[in-house]
Amino acid sequence: EAGVTQFPSHSVIEKGQTVTLRCDPISGHDNLYWYRRVMGKEIKFLLHFVKESKQDESGMPNNRFLAERTGGTYSTLKVQPAELEDSGVYFCASSPMTGKDWSTEAFFGQGTRLTVV
Amino acid sequence: AQSVTQLDSQVPVFEEAPVELRCNYSSSVSVYLFWYVQYPNQGLQLLLKYLSGSTLVESINGFEAEFNKSQTSFHLRKPSVHISDTAEYFCAVSDRWGGTYKYIFGTGTRLKVLA
Repeated sequence: EAGVTQFPSHSVIEKGQTVTLRCDPISGHDNLYWYRRVMGKEIKFLLHFVKESKQDESGMPNNRFLAERTGGTYSTLKVQPAELEDSGVYFCASSPMTGKDWSTEAFFGQGTRLTVV
Repeated sequence: AQSVTQLDSQVPVFEEAPVELRCNYSSSVSVYLFWYVQYPNQGLQLLLKYLSGSTLVESINGFEAEFNKSQTSFHLRKPSVHISDTAEYFCAVSDRWGGTYKYIFGTGTRLKVLA
């Protein structure tokens, strides 16, 4: 079974440009999460989808960030326009939620390293 | 509000030596505790977790962590490390489990195992 997959693995863009990150969760996982790690700091929660609905977006830094999960499968995270402080590693994670068959962990992808220059 | 502190950003240790990676947390509610590991060029992987029951939890590769409620700690230990344990280790807490994983992570500890 494939794990959580993120594209691209690395992205270098100029300040002011737009970048779209993609996350393919484990098949059948209703929960999808985005996290971000700015260099040297902790990994911070950005938002949580349950299927296609945003359950919690309290960690989104500002309105330059837009996350979508159309159809409840893969998700995209768009940064527009990118700023220098957006540089970091963006992690996606997923977990199942089927009745009481809950997972006791979230499964993470390898992350997308975003560098804004 | 919850927070996690990993005081050691880097820990160098010789192969076959013991290691302890420290994690302290603060929370006004009951928490569930996790250690994740990130090997070079890989994603975060769950190493071990404490949800309830025995306060000593173990991983399949020889790591263990003990939940200490009075000291609000969840330190990670291994009696004898291998080169392959070189990775970054993250401690995390959550105030819920099962279906929703809004983790609060620490800043991570880079473990470097030396030959």
